[in-house]
Amino acid sequence: SQQGEEDPQALSIQEGENATMNCSYKTSINNLQWYRQNSGRGLVHLILIRSNEREKHSGRLRVTLDTSKKSSSLLITASRAADTASYFCATDGDDYKLSFGAGTTVTVRA
Amino acid sequence: NAGVTQTPKFRVLKTGQSMTLLCAQDMNHEYMYWYRQDPGMGLRLIHYSVGEGTTAKGEVPDGYNVSRLKKQNFLLGLESAAPSQTSVYFCASSYSYTGGGSYNEQFFGPGTRLTVL
Repeated sequence: SQQGEEDPQALSIQEGENATMNCSYKTSINNLQWYRQNSGRGLVHLILIRSNEREKHSGRLRVTLDTSKKSSSLLITASRAADTASYFCATDGDDYKLSFGAGTTVTVRA
Repeated sequence: NAGVTQTPKFRVLKTGQSMTLLCAQDMNHEYMYWYRQDPGMGLRLIHYSVGEGTTAKGEVPDGYNVSRLKKQNFLLGLESAAPSQTSVYFCASSYSYTGGGSYNEQFFGPGTRLTVL
């Protein structure tokens, strides 16, 4: 069963604006990862945050993790047309496997 | 480095036919995975392997078989295809899992789009 659930399902923003999406999960995790999928392509790893971390940055990406609420957020700042994609959170428990959510589809309008 | 490659990219089958999807990685990764992706459902794990000669069931294994005879290859077989197996199939690999939050990122192939009529 899917562990992570992203919210919203879809997001449309203007170029230059920030995009925020959230991920909620049900059971304890070792870490949480975010992936991007461009249309018709495979997933690409963006960032990993460990269970003992609260915030992490990578370029224009900012990820937060609140283990007490079992939730994470991904912020993309100053969005570009190339950020148009689907974004997935994936939780890592303790058994070699990742559990993916259904994803948030982000459309960046020029 | 080619990374993770998948063969074929597209395939159309008739109900009852069989086929094998091939995944190859050149990163010397120990772990390999097969997922299917259906609209609105994200990725679901079919089978996975934690090393050469090993396989294990994932979330949706019924109707599929796998083999990992060589470390770099992971094969997914459909013995008797059904319309419910129409999907996009992704293979992924990762270097290692050391536990305690040291899980490494997964690298994905470009996918195989399978239609079963």
